[in-house]
Amino acid sequence: DTAVSQTPKYLVTQMGNDKSIKCEQNLGHDTMYWYKQDSKKFLKIMFSYNNKELIINETVPNRFSPKSPDKAHLNLHINSLELGDSAVYFCASRYHGGRNTGELFFGEGSRLTVL
Amino acid sequence: GENVEQHPSTLSVQEGDSAVIKCTYSDSASNYFPWYKQELGKRPQLIIDIRSNVGEKKDQRIAVTLNKTAKHFSLHITETQPEDSAVYFCAASADSGGYQKVTFGTGTKLQVIP
Repeated sequence: DTAVSQTPKYLVTQMGNDKSIKCEQNLGHDTMYWYKQDSKKFLKIMFSYNNKELIINETVPNRFSPKSPDKAHLNLHINSLELGDSAVYFCASRYHGGRNTGELFFGEGSRLTVL
Repeated sequence: GENVEQHPSTLSVQEGDSAVIKCTYSDSASNYFPWYKQELGKRPQLIIDIRSNVGEKKDQRIAVTLNKTAKHFSLHITETQPEDSAVYFCAASADSGGYQKVTFGTGTKLQVIP
C-alpha cells in the first residue's frame, strides 16, 4: 500500500501555463507538507497544513496556492509557470503530537519541467 | 527560524571504511533530529532519528550522536557498502508546542567505492 502518493510523477509544460499536483496520504496523519527540491538537491519547505488549516507558509510566490480539502489530501496549484519553478516537488506527512511527533513520510515526488 | 548546516557536501570512502557526516543547528528549541537517505531518483527515507533527551543512538551499522550544548549532531556509518551510496540529509525540528517545520541540511552525497 502506498503511504503518500502524488500525481503526476512527471510534468512537462510551457512557461506561463497553470498546473496542479495532487497528494494523498493513507497513514491517518494530521499534518501535510510540500517541499521543493531544486537541481542542487536542497529540500526547502513551502507549505504545511494541519487538519486542513494552513500553519506554515514560507516565502513562496503568490503563484503557488496550496489547498487541503481534508486532512488526507494536500494539492498544489501553480499559476503562470516560470523556468525557475522546474524542480522536484515532494509531498510529505507526519503525525503531530508534541513530543510524540512522528517520522516525516515523503511521497515519490513530482518532477516538474518548465520549457 | 531554524538554520541547519551540513558538512561535507560530498564524501568518498572505500568500501568497508567509516563515513561521518556532521550537522549544526541554530535553534536551541529544536529537540528532534532525523536523518534521511535519498537514493538517486527516489524519495528521502528516514534511516535513524534522535531526540534531545538522548546523546547517542545506534541501529546496526549506523549511529547518531547529539551534543545539545554545542548544537551539533553527527551520523556515523561503519563498514560502508556500495548500497550506502546516496545523498544523506540531516534535519532539525522543535516538536514541543506549536507546529514546527522540519528544516533540512543541504545534503551530503556519499560515494562508496568498491
